[in-house]
Amino acid sequence: RKEVEQDPGPFNVPEGATVAFNCTYSNSASQSFFWYRQDCRKEPKLLMSVYSSGNEDGRFTAQLNRASQYISLLIRDSKLSDSATYLCVVTSYTGGFKTIFGAGTRLFVKA
Amino acid sequence: DTGVSQDPRHKITKRGQNVTFRCDPISEHNRLYWYRQTLGQGPEFLTYFQNEAQLEKSRLLSDRFSAERPKGSFSTLEIQRTEQGDSAMYLCASSLWPSGTGETQYFGPGTRLLVL
Repeated sequence: RKEVEQDPGPFNVPEGATVAFNCTYSNSASQSFFWYRQDCRKEPKLLMSVYSSGNEDGRFTAQLNRASQYISLLIRDSKLSDSATYLCVVTSYTGGFKTIFGAGTRLFVKA
Repeated sequence: DTGVSQDPRHKITKRGQNVTFRCDPISEHNRLYWYRQTLGQGPEFLTYFQNEAQLEKSRLLSDRFSAERPKGSFSTLEIQRTEQGDSAMYLCASSLWPSGTGETQYFGPGTRLLVL
């Protein structure tokens, strides 16, 4: 079992749709959680950090569920420019530093 | 531009040759990371530095790979006796530690390596 798992997709949605991605992680000692966005042949860019209380940034909402060991990303009112791969990232410091990226979920938003 | 920079952006080499990549982090960042990414996968952690100290190395990092950060600023990643399986995007990231908002890593544009 991979340490961080994501549905690879692709998710094909029309403009204006709401889409949600989940990511599960296996290390219960994980301490920091992030969503990154990666466009084709570009570097990953931070989308948002994920906190236990949940956090929102415009059309994007991230949630962390430590009991079930998953994080989620909700995108409302999808735009064409949201088309990208979304990477879930989990960091732990117990027993040595470890940052694990999921393989990513591909999103295509179509007109 | 004050972001993370990497050089070269692309490298084509023949199997068995040595290659070296450079990363310049964001100037005030004390941590620097190297990752490798292949098609369809997320970045895989290779190693990281805090200032000039190399604190962690992945088991993925074979004896042919070495990384340095001699003055705690830029870093180099060298691959000796390259193999076709080394073909990948090599990403560098930096962060400021400690950080009250969680350790956010900022990535450079990557060096794309092709081993023929």
